Amino acid sequence: GAVVSQHPSWVICKSGTSVKIECRSLDFQATTMFWYRQFPKQSLMLMATSNEGSKATYEQGVEKDKFLINHASLTLSTLTVTSAHPEDSSFYICSASSSGGSYEQYFGPGTRLTVT
Amino acid sequence: AQSVTQLGSHVSVSEGALVLLRCNYSSSVPPYLFWYVQYPNQGLQLLLKYTSAATLVKGINGFEAEFKKSETSFHLTKPSAHMSDAAEYFCAVSSNNNAGNMLTFGGGTRLMVKP
Repeated sequence: GAVVSQHPSWVICKSGTSVKIECRSLDFQATTMFWYRQFPKQSLMLMATSNEGSKATYEQGVEKDKFLINHASLTLSTLTVTSAHPEDSSFYICSASSSGGSYEQYFGPGTRLTVT
Repeated sequence: AQSVTQLGSHVSVSEGALVLLRCNYSSSVPPYLFWYVQYPNQGLQLLLKYTSAATLVKGINGFEAEFKKSETSFHLTKPSAHMSDAAEYFCAVSSNNNAGNMLTFGGGTRLMVKP
């Protein structure tokens, strides 16, 4: 149980284009989803937290107009990287948690974005 | 604010040797603590978690961790390393950012296992 998927697993796009990454909870309802960014050989940095039906809460330094997050249902959140640039190339990981007190997050397999 | 420090960005052990990965945390409230493992180009897999029950927590793949409040530590151990344990390990502490229960990660420790 508690499986989270991401699509696509990897994507290459040209500079200036937009890319959408999907995060789905397959067997539970995710009241909260999180988006992380991970550079090579580094830890995960939280970008934003989203609750179903609400606007995402972005961490300091994360451009909300560049990284658009939508959490329209209890099983789907999307991250859209708008006007991508090479410095946006990174590994993006989502996680999801359900309501309750376990504080546990279930992680997706990640999406490798390369902007050329 | 919460923070996590993992001592040693790289740890190398021989196959069959004890694995010890260190994690110290800072938290203003009783913490929930987690250890995750990450294999190359994959997401994170939960190894174990501490949620204020037993201080010695047993996880998957033979790993365990002990919560020591006096030392603000949550070190990860495994009695005998296996080649398949080679991976990146992250310690994390949970807190609430008013939007959800967020995780703050340590810098990670890369475990290398020598044959």
